[in-house]
Order: sequence, then structure tokens, then C-alpha cells
Amino acid sequence: GENVEQHPSTLSVQEGDSAVIKCTYSDSASNYFPWYKQELGKGPQLIIDIRSNVGEKKDQRIAVTLNKTAKHFSLHITETQPEDSAVYFCAASLPRVLAGGGADGLTFGKGTHLIIQP
Amino acid sequence: EAQVTQNPRYLITVTGKKLTVTCSQNMNHEYMSWYRQDPGLGLRQIYYSMNVEVTDKGDVPEGYKVSRKEKRNFPLILESPSPNQTSLYFCASRGPYGYTFGSGTRLTVV
Repeated sequence: GENVEQHPSTLSVQEGDSAVIKCTYSDSASNYFPWYKQELGKGPQLIIDIRSNVGEKKDQRIAVTLNKTAKHFSLHITETQPEDSAVYFCAASLPRVLAGGGADGLTFGKGTHLIIQP
Repeated sequence: EAQVTQNPRYLITVTGKKLTVTCSQNMNHEYMSWYRQDPGLGLRQIYYSMNVEVTDKGDVPEGYKVSRKEKRNFPLILESPSPNQTSLYFCASRGPYGYTFGSGTRLTVV
């Protein structure tokens, strides 16, 4: 099955600086890569996603890049603000026909705790 | 407001005492799923349901049951809870724009 590695587990940056979180995946058939933000006491919320036919996607201060050859994808947050402090999860999804037990094939990384220092 | 509602938010119980965590969604999604979140392990899928009366095991189904008698509800049942089921549980439903997660249920089994 799919295996997703996420680094770093904790990231501390100064307010206003950029933050980058990286993930690698093992199954080259994966074709959908969402990122979730989890604030304290809440469930994960989808913040951005990318499909395998696209190399980069941007939404205001957030961008995601995908390198299919190297099987890695990254989340970039620019001009960080205190409200960006949270745990971020990457995930990779296989096409349903290949997904097996999970049917949707969504495999999560272990999370990155992003701390924005004032 | 489109949402997934879980209850209770917090639960402390004793080993062996059956419990149910409820989950309800108002988005008419066919697909629903349960995850558990443990430190250092991320989110792991317990069970999922593709539609009413269709359920299947995820990656960590041991000790859990689910049912899907109607589209909006997907309860998680622990027939005989054990301390290793102490965890943070999330219900989620999936629609055309991805997953929506509930706010979580923090379960402690003593």
C-alpha cells in the first residue's frame, strides 16, 4: 500500500517568514494530494490540494508543489501569521480502482506542528 | 451550514463497557469514514462506508464496529473498550470537494 512520510515533525518560524513542509509518497499510482490544517480542538480542514496532472497550485499565501518523478510534494506558506500556527497533514490518494481496503486510498502523513513566533 | 457532527466531544469510560460515538452529516454525502488520531501516528482509518448498508474495514478495524442504516448517520461502536482504544476519533464524510471532518471525540478508557 501507500506510505507517506512527512517532515519536519515540528517547525518554528518567525512571523512574516516562509514555512515549507515536505512529504514523500511511495506509490507512483497516487494521483491526488491534499493538505489539511488542524487547529487545537478541531478536526482537520482541507486548505489546498493538487492533482497529478499539475505541478503547482497557489491560493493566496499558500502554495503546493508536486514532483511526480521524485514522488514528493510540498506545502509553502508565505508571510506567515500567528493564525497559521496549527498541525498540518499531507495525504496521498490512489485512484479508487487501486485503493484496496480503504476504497479511497487516502493515506496521511504523521503531521507537522507549525509554530509561528511573534 | 455544511458540517459533520460528532457526539460526545469527550468521554471517559471503563474497560469492557459498551459505548457508541455518533456521527451525522448534512451534506448528503454517500461516503463516510472513521479515523483515530494518535501522537506520532497521524490519522488512521478504522472503517468506512460507501453508502447505506455498505461498510468495510480500514487499516485498524480491530475492536470496532459500525453501521450505516441511513445516509446521514454513521455511528462507531466499541463493544468492549480497552485502554489501547484511548484516542482522538474523527468522523469524516467525502463529497466532490474533498473531506469534511467532525470536531473529534476524545475517548479515554480506564
